[in-house]
This record gives sequence, C-alpha cells and structure tokens, in this order.
Amino acid sequence: DIQMTQSPSSLSASVGDRVTITCQASQDISNFLNWYQQKPGQAPKLLIYDASNLETGVPSRFSGRGSGTEFTFIISTLQPEDIATYYCQHHDSLPITFGQGTRLGIK
Amino acid sequence: QVQLVESGGGVVQPGRSLRLSCAASGFSFSIYGMHWVRQAPGKGLEWVAVIWYEGINKYYLDSVKGRFTISRDTSKNTLYLQMNSLRPDDTAVYYCARGTNQSPRDIWGQGTLVTVSS
Repeated sequence: DIQMTQSPSSLSASVGDRVTITCQASQDISNFLNWYQQKPGQAPKLLIYDASNLETGVPSRFSGRGSGTEFTFIISTLQPEDIATYYCQHHDSLPITFGQGTRLGIK
Repeated sequence: QVQLVESGGGVVQPGRSLRLSCAASGFSFSIYGMHWVRQAPGKGLEWVAVIWYEGINKYYLDSVKGRFTISRDTSKNTLYLQMNSLRPDDTAVYYCARGTNQSPRDIWGQGTLVTVSS
C-alpha cells in the first residue's frame, strides 16, 4: 500500500498568513493526489484534485502543486473560515489512502 | 439538488450484520464510480470500498474483504454497503461519495454512524 505522510500534523497561524502543508507519498503517484477540507461534524470537502486543479466553487486562495512523491497545499491568505483539518489522498492505485490530516487553528 | 443521503447506521453487537444505504439525487447515478469512506471517532479518513459505474467491478480495503459487500441499484439510485461479521474496530462514521472509478471526488453524504459494541 502507498503511505501518505502529511506535515505538520497541526499548526496555528494568524488571519492573513500564508499556510503551507506538505504531503509525501511512499512511491511515485504522478499527479494522482487530492486535497480535502473537513470541518468538525461535517463531511470532507474536495478542494484540489489531481494535485493542482481547483475544484469548482473553491476560493482561489487555495492551491496545490507537486508531482511524483512530493506535494504542497497552500492557503495564500488565511481566513477565519479556513479553520479545519486538511487531508491529502492518493488515487494512483488501490487501496486509496489518506494522509493522517493536518489540524489548522487560528493564533 | 445534487446530494447523497446515507442511512442504516446504528449500534450493533460484534459478529452481527448491518446494511448501509446511500440515496443519490440530482445527478445521473449510473455514470459515476461510488465509494464508501469511513472515519473512526477522532481519527482520520479510511477508504473502504468502490463500485465502478457499471456495477461489476468492486474493490475493498483488505481488512473488510470477505465481510463487506458494496452494491448499487441503478433503478433506485441507491448505493449499499452490506457489513457482516462486524468488529469493534469497524466503529466509525461511514460516508458515501461520488467520484470516478479511481477516486472519491466532489459529492459526499453527511455520514452515518456505526457503533459495534456489546
């Protein structure tokens, strides 16, 4: 199985900050990587698909990049409503696996 | 309105069975791969199973293989997860999700809680 390692596991930032989360795959997954946002008590919400494609309706402050084994998720200007847990997920092969999540809080 | 609504969760004893349903509306159910993803209390997301759009190809997480069965009824626009021989570590919120054959994607249900406990 492909292991997805996210870092950091948690972070705190101020409104307006640039936030970066990384995700490392245990083997080459090309660009088969999605990013989700999950708020407490809610289902995950797709933000980025295939590493760098912004899902329809998602604010442009969210972006993703990378390929192969190293991926980055960026929030360019943190907003209060961005407080959530973020997950990466590969779909290169089965089983699909998720990163352990990054819990994002406000300073 | 495009949505998925899960039902069928509850409290069940170890070794017993439960069937989850996921009712789809607002889109052409038959052209999408459909997935089940679960989340144990306070834990991360874990993919469980996929059924391809044609309803023939089905794939499972190793730990549920032989115990869980994913199926779909296109006439009812409904996805199912039959869960047999349930174990305490199957306790989780179970989400259904619309996607491709290879990945969940853009539409997720609200989740249904399954608790396996004596």
